[in-house]
Amino acid sequence: SQQGEEDPQALSIQEGENATMNCSYKTSINNLQWYRQNSGRGLVHLILIRSNEREKHSGRLRVTLDTSKKSSSLLITASRAADTASYFCATDDRQGAQKLVFGQGTRLTINP
Amino acid sequence: GAVVSQHPSRVICKSGTSVKIECRSLDFQATTMFWYRQFPKQSLMLMATSNEGSKATYEQGVEKDKFLINHASLTLSTLTVTSAHPEDSSFYICSARSQSYEQYFGPGTRLTVT
Repeated sequence: SQQGEEDPQALSIQEGENATMNCSYKTSINNLQWYRQNSGRGLVHLILIRSNEREKHSGRLRVTLDTSKKSSSLLITASRAADTASYFCATDDRQGAQKLVFGQGTRLTINP
Repeated sequence: GAVVSQHPSRVICKSGTSVKIECRSLDFQATTMFWYRQFPKQSLMLMATSNEGSKATYEQGVEKDKFLINHASLTLSTLTVTSAHPEDSSFYICSARSQSYEQYFGPGTRLTVT
């Protein structure tokens, strides 16, 4: 079953702008991960944030985690056309311990 | 980063036949691998968790006799779709979990059942 919602479902912005995607989840988690998927391809791991972390950076990516609100956000700064993809969050819930449960994803389109 | 491969990348088979998909972790050992199915424009749905040397754990609604999973070694898990039907046509993706709990995904296998 799906863990939660991603918001927005689709986002279209101009190249150079920042893109923000949000993810909410339902259960207590060990960590939350963000992935990118280009159309018809596998998933690329972007970043993992642990439940005791609040913010993490990797290049142009910034991820925040608010465990009190059970939500996370992914910010892509200075977007590029190559960032066009679907982005998914996935949580590793404490009870399940092992399995990842994915959000619905956000389809991001960067217009040149 | 860690690499996970899948083979084949695409397969077309006739209804009623069986298809085997391989998932390999190339540069790390994975005691746990996962199999997902993804329909067009939808998210990934976990099918089963595969643990090396033991039986797979299937998610609710997934038929274990139809989707046979074997995790024979720390670097290889296989998914066999038995007696495939057109509704089994989908994108199947495996992932392997590292010791630091990150999951690395294979490139996926596009299965088309005619």
